[in-house]
Amino acid sequence: DGGITQSPKYLFRKEGQNVTLSCEQNLNHDAMYWYRQDPGQGLRLIYYSQIVNDFQKGDIAEGYSVSREKKESFPLTVTSAQKNPTAFYLCASSPVQARSYNEQFFGPGTRLTVL
Amino acid sequence: SQQGEEDPQALSIQEGENATMNCSYKTSINNLQWYRQNSGRGLVHLILIRSNEREKHSGRLRVTLDTSKKSSSLLITASRAADTASYFCATDAQDYKLSFGAGTTVTVRA
Repeated sequence: DGGITQSPKYLFRKEGQNVTLSCEQNLNHDAMYWYRQDPGQGLRLIYYSQIVNDFQKGDIAEGYSVSREKKESFPLTVTSAQKNPTAFYLCASSPVQARSYNEQFFGPGTRLTVL
Repeated sequence: SQQGEEDPQALSIQEGENATMNCSYKTSINNLQWYRQNSGRGLVHLILIRSNEREKHSGRLRVTLDTSKKSSSLLITASRAADTASYFCATDAQDYKLSFGAGTTVTVRA
């Protein structure tokens, strides 16, 4: 099956710890994205990557870091500098054939809770 | 920054009724998309409408786009319990990014 997987589904972190959320896709998509969703709100873009070894900050990048060493993988690290990391994190990917037509495919999400 | 804003925030309807939700946005777009999110899950793409299109259908979904008013509507006809979800509009921005609204939560009562 083609798709996007995220792990773990639930993650608990103590204050001051860094944690890494995994995102893998086998859709052969060039672009990948990380979003944060807070209760009752829409999605806010954290980081995105259009190509391997390149990524750009989104609207709320502070306290987060990413890497894109492989086309299939786009892990997100939530660092201790992120003041309020408890949220639902969604990873997505999209093809980059046509600039304007960028339907995104989403993973199932990781719910991060800081204890 | 969020460009799209959905209205209403929440909607409760009886099974079999139609559900209509609206999305307004601020700047010009190339396309507008609608997504569905079941509780605690990822988003699923429903439909994309391009800026030069006025109406599009997909099964029980009907989307309209009025670029002069910078608004779009999503109509779900003959709703079912399985349509209970949050619905988001998303507008394209530069560099392959999408800007999502806060969503409309739809509850379909049996």
